[in-house]
Amino acid sequence: GAVVSQHPSWVICKSGTSVKIECRSLDFQATTMFWYRQFPKQSLMLMATSNEGSKATYEQGVEKDKFLINHASLTLSTLTVTSAHPEDSSFYICSAPRAGSYNEQFFGPGTRLTVL
Amino acid sequence: AQRVTQPEKLLSVFKGAPVELKCNYSYSGSPELFWYVQYSRQRLQLLLRHISRESIKGFTADLNKGETSFHLKKPFAQEEDSAMYYCALKPSNAGNMLTFGGGTRLMVKP
Repeated sequence: GAVVSQHPSWVICKSGTSVKIECRSLDFQATTMFWYRQFPKQSLMLMATSNEGSKATYEQGVEKDKFLINHASLTLSTLTVTSAHPEDSSFYICSAPRAGSYNEQFFGPGTRLTVL
Repeated sequence: AQRVTQPEKLLSVFKGAPVELKCNYSYSGSPELFWYVQYSRQRLQLLLRHISRESIKGFTADLNKGETSFHLKKPFAQEEDSAMYYCALKPSNAGNMLTFGGGTRLMVKP
């Protein structure tokens, strides 16, 4: 089956620093990728849609200057949390649909961000 | 805007008992409905979709447009079914974007 990877799997950073999270589709191309945020014991909340070759589409309430998204190629999207603060600590998950009859979405393993 | 509701955060059953995980949605158009499962320490993965009308690992789900529901059922639960289950909706006009319910943790006791 299709594989989506994320790097790093976990990161701890100091308040005020920026953190970059990578999402890669390993064996298929994805013109669109999705970034989710998941708080402990809660569901996935869509943050933004990453579009290859164009600007990302952000969900209501998500600061685009805070969460920078770059879809650099057909297999890579990055999420940069700028000037991170403790309230940004969360589990960030990406997904990518693989083109086909159902455009099934494949999820990355997630990245746990802890901001001290 | 669309919304997916899973009323139970936790469902605990004994092995061999029937299981029904509830999912209700609100959406004015014709959605696609999915069930995703997340086993302990594993990533989210697709369990089944309403379009294919399939049975996966003994689970089935029927889309009831009248009741706007997509409940997940299994007649005899197994311990390995213990996991988080998420119901998700894809609007007909929103590309591949998914809206997730809050999730239900299923615990199957021996």
